[in-house]
Amino acid sequence: DVKVTQSSRYLVKRTGEKVFLECVQDMDHENMFWYRQDPGLGLRLIYFSYDVKMKEKGDIPEGYSVSREKKERFSLILESASTNQTSMYLCASSMSQGREQYFGPGTRLTVT
Amino acid sequence: GIQVEQSPPDLILQEGANSTLRCNFSDSVNNLQWFHQNPWGQLINLFYIPSGTKQNGRLSATTVATERYSLLYISSSQTTDSGVYFCAEGGGADGLTFGKGTHLIIQP
Repeated sequence: DVKVTQSSRYLVKRTGEKVFLECVQDMDHENMFWYRQDPGLGLRLIYFSYDVKMKEKGDIPEGYSVSREKKERFSLILESASTNQTSMYLCASSMSQGREQYFGPGTRLTVT
Repeated sequence: GIQVEQSPPDLILQEGANSTLRCNFSDSVNNLQWFHQNPWGQLINLFYIPSGTKQNGRLSATTVATERYSLLYISSSQTTDSGVYFCAEGGGADGLTFGKGTHLIIQP
């Protein structure tokens, strides 16, 4: 079974803090994704990585950066958290582009 | 990009009932997936079904790629089937494009 894990289920941070969200997959997948999910807006892609150190911006990259130093790990970084980044963050991985994606349990981030 | 429409948006059923959820797509279907989002927010993979029909227990799915739609069937519903069901297409560099979901409530 594919397993995607995320470092925290719930996280509360203050405005201006630097926040790290970690995602790890155990299936040697090439591709990893970060999405956020908001009521009324659905799921939106923040960043995509297709290899170690390789990344592409998604639909809403502003205010975020990512790091992929190892194939199994994809980190999402909020450089200076703001209240409008309060959201559900979902990480996913897939073997290759256009193949089945598997999601982690999600991190509910609240920025106060 | 591709548009994904799901229907119905909400569905309330009694335990034991059957249901059909639908996804329509504005463009070609190549990598269609169905998910169930549980109350804790996790997206559970149900089917990867670019075309044809698949079955897994009480759930089955059919995709007619040439007509740009997919159906998810749930038979003999249980309360644990409650949640939001999403279909999604894509998965390349643009990520998956999701529909708005069908919110299913199964009452005991």
